[in-house]
Amino acid sequence: KQEVTQIPAALSVPEGENLVLNCSFTDSAIYNLQWFRQDPGKGLTSLLLIQSSQREQTSGRLNASLDKSSGRSTLYIAASQPGDSATYLCAVIKIYNTDKLIFGTGTRLQVFP
Amino acid sequence: DAMVIQNPRYQVTQFGKPVTLSCSQTLNHNVMYWYQQKSSQAPKLLFHYYDKDFNNEADTPDNFQSRRPNTSFCFLDIRSPGLGDAAMYLCATSREDYSGKWTDTQYFGPGTRLTVL
Repeated sequence: KQEVTQIPAALSVPEGENLVLNCSFTDSAIYNLQWFRQDPGKGLTSLLLIQSSQREQTSGRLNASLDKSSGRSTLYIAASQPGDSATYLCAVIKIYNTDKLIFGTGTRLQVFP
Repeated sequence: DAMVIQNPRYQVTQFGKPVTLSCSQTLNHNVMYWYQQKSSQAPKLLFHYYDKDFNNEADTPDNFQSRRPNTSFCFLDIRSPGLGDAAMYLCATSREDYSGKWTDTQYFGPGTRLTVL
């Protein structure tokens, strides 16, 4: 059974810091891994999608890496801003079960001015 | 420009009174999903439609049902809501090829927050 864990559960940092969010998964037979952002009381917004054959993806100040063999992904946020405050969720799709996203419980990030 | 629309955004119902949540999409995606998300928890997949094929998760209570009358619309029916069903309900869509060899990212709606009194 695939399990997805995110550490830390919550993080509070001053504006401008570079930070790393961690995601680990127990079964390396994944199709892809995605990072989502969720603002309080809102739906999810896809940030980055990494296919299983890829090692990283970048979008603006965000960089996500994937190491399938160790079952780990990191989301790097450069020069954090208060507008980055949200919950960040990682999710994997398993091979041969591509309909289903398996989510971690998220990291709640607060960036204060 | 909205792609996945959920109505209503907030729904209040009474214990045991049936309620229907709706989702529509302008993306023409063939797969639609319903998730339940309780406070500080990860979204939990309830079921999804692959075109008209309904796929129920094994642990989804019988109290929850769904309809997809056409590509654009999907409904979540809760027959007899209990206090434990209060949650955010998220609809999502994706495009998946019919061989199952690839799947696009899922696009989420803003959610409907259900309160059960």
